[in-house]
Amino acid sequence: GDSVTQMEGPVTLSEEAFLTINCTYTATGYPSLFWYVQYPGEGLQLLLKATKADDKGSNKGFEATYRKETTSFHLEKGSVQVSDSAVYFCALINQAGTALIFGKGTTLSVSS
Amino acid sequence: KAGVTQTPRYLIKTRGQQVTLSCSPISGHRSVSWYQQTPGQGLQFLFEYFSETQRNKGNFPGRFSGRQFSNSRSEMNVSTLELGDSALYLCASSLDSPSTDTQYFGPGTRLTVL
Repeated sequence: GDSVTQMEGPVTLSEEAFLTINCTYTATGYPSLFWYVQYPGEGLQLLLKATKADDKGSNKGFEATYRKETTSFHLEKGSVQVSDSAVYFCALINQAGTALIFGKGTTLSVSS
Repeated sequence: KAGVTQTPRYLIKTRGQQVTLSCSPISGHRSVSWYQQTPGQGLQFLFEYFSETQRNKGNFPGRFSGRQFSNSRSEMNVSTLELGDSALYLCASSLDSPSTDTQYFGPGTRLTVL
């Protein structure tokens, strides 16, 4: 079945460091891919998405490119801030188009 | 435009009780989905409602149920609560279908079962 695998955390970085959070997926076809972010005590916020191969989603300095050859959707940011500290979830819409399937989440902690 | 709202934000119940959680979607959104988030299992899909009908269901026991009203507001109910039901319950709304429209999440209801 469809699944998402993302790197285990926590990821600890200093402010202004480069961020990569790896995400790979298993799916039939080419599902839409998403990154959601969850700040402490809050629900999920959509960070960015890509709906087809080679699409690049971007928002707030974060980027991710839909790579069908490697079935990946890695999240990157050139210079992280303390305010980026949160849990990041990679997700896809399942084959039936009925629900999101999430990875386990990666905790990012950025210190000044 | 107001986002997805969920009430209450926190609940404490004891084993065997039942609980009802409420979700108001973004205005104009007709699809409402529910997810359970736990440290062990992560985020799991419970069910989706559209036009007052359950359209899709995840792999949860029958103790978990829901409904949707004509104004698209949704409730979910858990009967005979178990300790393992302690979780953050998230509601998400989309325009018409999760397959074509982005899902927007509410802040969640934190349920603790003692």
